[in-house]
Amino acid sequence: NAGVTQTPKFRILKIGQSMTLQCAQDMNHNYMYWYRQDPGMGLKLIYYSVGAGITDKGEVPNGYNVSRSTTEDFPLRLELAAPSQTSVYFCASSHGQFYNSPLHFGNGTRLTVT
Amino acid sequence: KQEVTQIPAALSVPEGENLVLNCSFTDSAIYNLQWFRQDPGKGLTSLLLIQSSQREQTSGRLNASLDKSSGRSTLYIAASQPGDSATYLCAPGMEYGNKLVFGAGTILRVKS
Repeated sequence: NAGVTQTPKFRILKIGQSMTLQCAQDMNHNYMYWYRQDPGMGLKLIYYSVGAGITDKGEVPNGYNVSRSTTEDFPLRLELAAPSQTSVYFCASSHGQFYNSPLHFGNGTRLTVT
Repeated sequence: KQEVTQIPAALSVPEGENLVLNCSFTDSAIYNLQWFRQDPGKGLTSLLLIQSSQREQTSGRLNASLDKSSGRSTLYIAASQPGDSATYLCAPGMEYGNKLVFGAGTILRVKS
């Protein structure tokens, strides 16, 4: 039982490049989330999904896109990378809604845009 | 807009001490509050989830309390151990917007 798996662990991008951060969970959770964590700050929600085919914006969605074609996978796409997107990205999942289910997190992807 | 503050920002204590981490929030329209632990280079691990109707929740040496009306939560760690060294984050779950709002965390170091 791997839980939430994120790849890659580290990535350096040049300004204007694109990439996809991968996230997979094997707990059959309906709810999945993408957060970013900047140094000394709390996590901020980028996008979330309540099930396959359903996604919605969080607090800081600009510059990102997501898709949810299966229950297991929730990739995050960065188009035209900018230095402001340098951050640590965390994917999380939960069995039920956040207000009655604990979140399970992956180990993160550290992204640097130069 | 919900603002979450965690005090202290960092704490260093000798092994065996009992300690309290504080979390305050400005908007009491919350469903619940979660406490998480984050080890360096790792993701977050959920420690305790307190529903807004509860006053406290316990797991082993950890006890979390919630006073929704005053916008405060505390995490009490009994008999601290070096393995407790980590960053602890609190996150109230909002009644609107389908989201948790995270504090910046308290960095805890327990010295042996």
